[in-house]
Amino acid sequence: DTAVSQTPKYLVTQMGNDKSIKCEQNLGHDTMYWYKQDSKKFLKIMFSYNNKELIINETVPNRFSPKSPDKAHLNLHINSLELGDSAVYFCASSQYNEQFFGPGTRLTVL
Amino acid sequence: DQQVKQNSPSLSVQEGRISILNCDYTNSMFDYFLWYKKYPAEGPTFLISISSIKDKNEDGRFTVFLNKSAKHLSLHIVPSQPGDSAVYFCAASSIQGAQKLVFGQGTRLTINP
Repeated sequence: DTAVSQTPKYLVTQMGNDKSIKCEQNLGHDTMYWYKQDSKKFLKIMFSYNNKELIINETVPNRFSPKSPDKAHLNLHINSLELGDSAVYFCASSQYNEQFFGPGTRLTVL
Repeated sequence: DQQVKQNSPSLSVQEGRISILNCDYTNSMFDYFLWYKKYPAEGPTFLISISSIKDKNEDGRFTVFLNKSAKHLSLHIVPSQPGDSAVYFCAASSIQGAQKLVFGQGTRLTINP
């Protein structure tokens, strides 16, 4: 029974396109996150939502827009994709200090 | 400005021996520290954590040590097993930072039979 799931697992698209990545958690957690792991393998926070409210926004370009329809879901929409957006994107959720991660979505922009 | 650093990109240890992974941090506001393990094509998996009010936390084969004055923590795995081969990330958070995790760059641990 998957705790934090993401779809799709792989996403290949052309520059300039708009794409979305979906995340769902069945742990009953109040807080969800998006992280980006770049080509140098650094994991960096992008956004955090607590009970559908945005609480962290780490100077991410406006082309990235998170949406939380309910506290079990946090989706990431990316407009006008650029080559530099190629990375692995991880969703996570937490109730206290430990965060639980999804399997990641590998985005490749051509 | 990297606030959490893992200076060893890789570490190779013989099966049955102790693995010691190190992590340094610069932000004195960090009050909670975590270790994550990551296999290829999977998300990071929580391993063990420690609050800044403690200097040691143990869970089975895994022990985390925290030295606040040196801003240093380490993860000890003993005895090391082949299944421990993975990338290990150190992470830190603070209440002031709204619990966001700041990660180190990871150390690839290889356990040799």
